[in-house]
Amino acid sequence: QKEVEQNSGPLSVPEGAIASLNCTYSDRGSQSFFWYRQYSGKSPELIMFIYSNGDKEDGRFTAQLNKASQYVSLLIRDSQPSDSATYLCASAATYKYIFGTGTRLKVLA
Amino acid sequence: EAGVTQFPSHSVIEKGQTVTLRCDPISGHDNLYWYRRVMGKEIKFLLHFVKESKQDESGMPNNRFLAERTGGTYSTLKVQPAELEDSGVYFCASSQEGGGQPQHFGDGTRLSIL
Repeated sequence: QKEVEQNSGPLSVPEGAIASLNCTYSDRGSQSFFWYRQYSGKSPELIMFIYSNGDKEDGRFTAQLNKASQYVSLLIRDSQPSDSATYLCASAATYKYIFGTGTRLKVLA
Repeated sequence: EAGVTQFPSHSVIEKGQTVTLRCDPISGHDNLYWYRRVMGKEIKFLLHFVKESKQDESGMPNNRFLAERTGGTYSTLKVQPAELEDSGVYFCASSQEGGGQPQHFGDGTRLSIL
């Protein structure tokens, strides 16, 4: 069964620190990888997507992909209390996303 | 630009009743997806429309679920008759392109079956 695994957390980091969120996937056919942020009762909000091995940076966020290790990560620099949310990792071979259960991040002021 | 909107935000019905969920995708998005999250589990794919055509309904749990997208705009997902295990949050997403392109999600409909 194709899966995406995430540590459920909570991951607690102090304000201003780097938060590191990790995800592994089992389907070697996966081509696209996504990070969504979800506040309670709200929609999953797209933060980053990455298709190629290596790093992709957008503001305070960096997505990292290692297809050989089947590993995706999201780094959040200068973490803010407003970053406290659940972060969902998803992989896709085509249009069908496979989600992890999410990691709850708590940024402590 | 309006995002993906879903209605209702919450629905509480009794077992055996019928419920219809609605999703309005982002304007111009031909691809529309339904997902579901049951308590404590991950979000799981239900089906995919391209315009009014169902491309993949492999994730639909059983024939009590019926999705439509007449005219290729909004979509409905009907559950008839509802069972206890249908409780969860139903998300709709849309994308301009298919394949592995980013999908934009609505806030979801929280469905509770009593």
